[in-house]
Amino acid sequence: ETGVTQSPTHLIKTRGQQVTLRCSSQSGHNTVSWYQQALGQGPQFIFQYYREEENGRGNFPPRFSGLQFPNYSSELNVNALELDDSALYLCASSLAGSEAFFGQGTRLTVV
Amino acid sequence: AQSVTQLDSQVPVFEEAPVELRCNYSSSVSVYLFWYVQYPNQGLQLLLKYLSGSTLVESINGFEAEFNKSQTSFHLRKPSVHISDTAEYFCAVRAGGTSYGKLTFGQGTILTVHP
Repeated sequence: ETGVTQSPTHLIKTRGQQVTLRCSSQSGHNTVSWYQQALGQGPQFIFQYYREEENGRGNFPPRFSGLQFPNYSSELNVNALELDDSALYLCASSLAGSEAFFGQGTRLTVV
Repeated sequence: AQSVTQLDSQVPVFEEAPVELRCNYSSSVSVYLFWYVQYPNQGLQLLLKYLSGSTLVESINGFEAEFNKSQTSFHLRKPSVHISDTAEYFCAVRAGGTSYGKLTFGQGTILTVHP
């Protein structure tokens, strides 16, 4: 059984650019959630996908968008990057209603 | 909506001493409660969870937490800590009885175990 894997592990982007982060869910999991963890803070919920449909969203602007694919892997896209978008982005997968398992995260730095 | 307050941002303790990391939550509905641990430059690992049943839950590495509904608390305890327990600990809450998986996290408590 493979765990949740995220790529890349680290990324540096320039303000105004766009970025795509990727996540492979744990085998058998049909739900994926994305979280943003700023330095020194707890993770903040961005959105969740269940069977390829977004079924919940936190307080993040529309320039944060996502996709879930038929194999339940997922992407997080952020447009028009701002300096405050610098954070650790965490992906979590679960079987609907069960506990979430987190990946190692992608550290995004916006300069 | 739910919210979580972790009452201590940092807890220093000596090896083999007991420790308690405090967590209070607020919710208008029933909740599931979780503790996650995060080691430097890593993701979150589930430490223990309360879904229903016994209010005292235990992890395999000696931590335990007790769900207190009247005090809306879910404090994490360990009777004797090790150097390897040094990490950041997050308390989280999720609305119970649903498949909607949004977790609301506290700000975290950094546990530092000194020799």
